[in-house]
Amino acid sequence: DQQVKQNSPSLSVQEGRISILNCDYTNSMFDYFLWYKKYPAEGPTFLISISSIKDKNEDGRFTVFLNKSAKHLSLHIVPSQPGDSAVYFCAASDRGSRLTFGEGTQLTVNP
Amino acid sequence: DGGITQSPKYLFRKEGQNVTLSCEQNLNHDAMYWYRQDPGQGLRLIYYSQIVNDFQKGDIAEGYSVSREKKESFPLTVTSAQKNPTAFYLCASSIWGEGTGELFFGEGSRLTVL
Repeated sequence: DQQVKQNSPSLSVQEGRISILNCDYTNSMFDYFLWYKKYPAEGPTFLISISSIKDKNEDGRFTVFLNKSAKHLSLHIVPSQPGDSAVYFCAASDRGSRLTFGEGTQLTVNP
Repeated sequence: DGGITQSPKYLFRKEGQNVTLSCEQNLNHDAMYWYRQDPGQGLRLIYYSQIVNDFQKGDIAEGYSVSREKKESFPLTVTSAQKNPTAFYLCASSIWGEGTGELFFGEGSRLTVL
């Protein structure tokens, strides 16, 4: 039972354009959603999160949108930079318990 | 400097051998976790521990064992029963039961079975 799904294994965008990474979930008890970024052979690093009581959270070039009725969230990166090329994981938690991760999306930003 | 330290970073093992991966944290977190990442796949939970002397199986615990004798330490043993042990292993820690559930990860250990 995959409670968090990232349906796009890969995404390629041009430098300077917007990158949109999507994530769907099924468990309505999730109350926090997080995005992690991972480079090869390194541990994931936390990028941005959003509480279920909000619909948007912004941090610099990164914005996460949450649509609770659709059980969908998205991460927008604008403008995209070559250094953003990495695997992005969506994750969700229920009252601070273990995170459930999606499969990840490989983002490639072309110069 | 607070963080999570995994060792070794690279490890080679012959078939039939057990190996132990080390994970130490100085973040004073109660919860610790082991994940496995395979090429093209997400992060799969092997074991986690919410408190000292207690741990729970994750989604892919078969062929692995853990111990949690100290708050700071959560070693993972990959046993000979693990059919496909070659992978990238990640240790993480978190505050349990409050906040966002954010995990702090180590740098990872790559295990290769020869």
